[in-house]
Amino acid sequence: TQLLEQSPQFLSIQEGENLTVYCNSSSVFSSLQWYRQEPGEGPVLLVTVVTGGEVKKLKRLTFQFGDARKDSSLHITAAQPGDTGLYLCAGAGGNQFYFGTGTSLTVIP
Amino acid sequence: DSGVTQTPKHLITATGQRVTLRCSPRSGDLSVYWYQQSLDQGLQFLIQYYNGEERAKGNILERFSAQQFPDLHSELNLSSLELGDSALYFCASSAVPDSGNTIYFGEGSWLTVV
Repeated sequence: TQLLEQSPQFLSIQEGENLTVYCNSSSVFSSLQWYRQEPGEGPVLLVTVVTGGEVKKLKRLTFQFGDARKDSSLHITAAQPGDTGLYLCAGAGGNQFYFGTGTSLTVIP
Repeated sequence: DSGVTQTPKHLITATGQRVTLRCSPRSGDLSVYWYQQSLDQGLQFLIQYYNGEERAKGNILERFSAQQFPDLHSELNLSSLELGDSALYFCASSAVPDSGNTIYFGEGSWLTVV
């Protein structure tokens, strides 16, 4: 059962464009994490958000946790080819982490 | 480098066979997670151990089993392999299994069943 739905599933944009990836659930999570995964490698943690409404910035990446702690968004400003990868959100509930369906991003030079 | 070590990185085996995947967690981490990632299923949680004891179970088949040893390394055993078991198997670890804690992934073991 997928508790976290990500949209879009696939995204192909030109270098320099902005984009937003959404992570939605009907469940409340105590925290939410975003990962980036490159082909053949394991997911790498980008950020953890804990408080409802929290906004965190990591260079050109802005992460927001919804007020109700059910959803999150990742905004990338001026995307670069190095941003290409699979972006996964993961919600923490109880003692498990539930992963989203993933968003595959391709940034074309 | 996440500090989580998985072996082997790649393996190819025939249907009906059995394989064992090994994971060493980050130093000091007590909790180990196993995930399966395939193109059509995404990242699926299989099972979690904490300090040697099974903590949570996900979509793990009966043909699969796992354990965590006293030195905290873990093994995932896959038996009676089927073509559909071909996937990337990830191990991850965290200090404790509580929510809000960060988990770190290994580079994965790529299993191909032929």
